[in-house]
Amino acid sequence: AQSVTQLDSQVPVFEEAPVELRCNYSSSVSVYLFWYVQYPNQGLQLLLKYLSGSTLVKGINGFEAEFNKSQTSFHLRKPSVHISDTAEYFCAVSVLTQGGSEKLVFGKGTKLTVNP
Amino acid sequence: ETGVTQTPRHLVMGMTNKKSLKCEQHLGHNAMYWYKQSAKKPLELMFVYSLEERVENNSVPSRFSPECPNSSHLFLHLHTLQPEDSALYLCASSQDGAGGGEEQYFGPGTRLTVT
Repeated sequence: AQSVTQLDSQVPVFEEAPVELRCNYSSSVSVYLFWYVQYPNQGLQLLLKYLSGSTLVKGINGFEAEFNKSQTSFHLRKPSVHISDTAEYFCAVSVLTQGGSEKLVFGKGTKLTVNP
Repeated sequence: ETGVTQTPRHLVMGMTNKKSLKCEQHLGHNAMYWYKQSAKKPLELMFVYSLEERVENNSVPSRFSPECPNSSHLFLHLHTLQPEDSALYLCASSQDGAGGGEEQYFGPGTRLTVT
């Protein structure tokens, strides 16, 4: 079964510092990978996704992620974070169910806290 | 209204109550989803509807009963819940739900507390 592991449950950083949020997945087939962000009291919002092609994917709010097939990783990075980036970040892999529909399998999330 | 809306945003109910959660999407999508988000656990998919037909039931207890009367509306009917059912219930929609790495659009969620 496909699964997603987010190695850090909490990541504190200072404003304007770089950050990397780690994500590893397990899959024996081609994958579609996603990063979603959840701000307090809100639903999830797509940051970026990898479907195919270039392994470096750029998303909204200055985030980017690199797909590494050999290491089965899809780490999220930002070169300089802002206070407003404080949120929970979820990595997800898309899988097809037995019923033929598509569903997302999520990691447990990483809480990013940006301190002044 | 735009995107995906959910009502109510907060709900407190006793174990013997019956209540319903409502989700509406204004995106013209054909697939809708219910997820459960509990503390310290990954988001769990509960149900998937595609073109108003349930295509996935992820081993959810029968005290949760979904309903999709049309492609824009999704309900989750709740009865005789347990305290461990307290969680954030998220609704999402996507274009078709048929694969290809579609983005799912999420509502803000309903925070449910079972007392």
